[in-house]
Amino acid sequence: GQSLEQPSEVTAVEGAIVQINCTYQTSGFYGLSWYQQHDGGAPTFLSYNGLDGLEETGRFSSFLSRSDSYGYLLLQELQMKDSASYFCAVRDNQGGKLIFGQGTELSVKP
Amino acid sequence: EADIYQTPRYLVIGTGKKITLECSQTMGHDKMYWYQQDPGMELHLIHYSYGVNSTEKGDLSSESTVSRIRTEHFPLTLESARPSHTSQYLCASSGPGRSYEQYFGPGTRLTVT
Repeated sequence: GQSLEQPSEVTAVEGAIVQINCTYQTSGFYGLSWYQQHDGGAPTFLSYNGLDGLEETGRFSSFLSRSDSYGYLLLQELQMKDSASYFCAVRDNQGGKLIFGQGTELSVKP
Repeated sequence: EADIYQTPRYLVIGTGKKITLECSQTMGHDKMYWYQQDPGMELHLIHYSYGVNSTEKGDLSSESTVSRIRTEHFPLTLESARPSHTSQYLCASSGPGRSYEQYFGPGTRLTVT
């Protein structure tokens, strides 16, 4: 079968750093994407790792270890507007479907 | 700024009715997708298309059908709506070789009474 595991909820304070983990077990793997979705909104693309290592985009970074079937999204200098759901998604073949995890709800407190 | 549109945004309809959810994108993307998402839950792929006249069923069994006659248009049709179809339907698209970066429309929130 195919499965992705993420924590269901994470809480952090403004200005802090938070890491959202994602482990996966899929029949094919070409890379790991991360999406943000605010309540009532549409998902928006944040980051993609096709190779092992760290990708940095402003306050957000994403990491992938293919040997461990594991990745994470790192959010630095948290702001209230970062309160949202974050989904990891496996690109299961070169052509292009994504398999989404169940999402992590991040709450940023003052 | 991604340009992908869905209509209607909200729809309340009675059981047994036929409905079509519209999705259009102006980015010339070859791939398009339909997802179903219940509140607070993951996205489930129900249909996708790699190009004109190409459609495939996704991982979630669905009683809907799709068509892709034009690159920019990917409508989803429910022949006979049921209360179990109540959900949010999200359309997305991606460019060549970039299926990992999908652009989503605002969604259609469907309620079947």
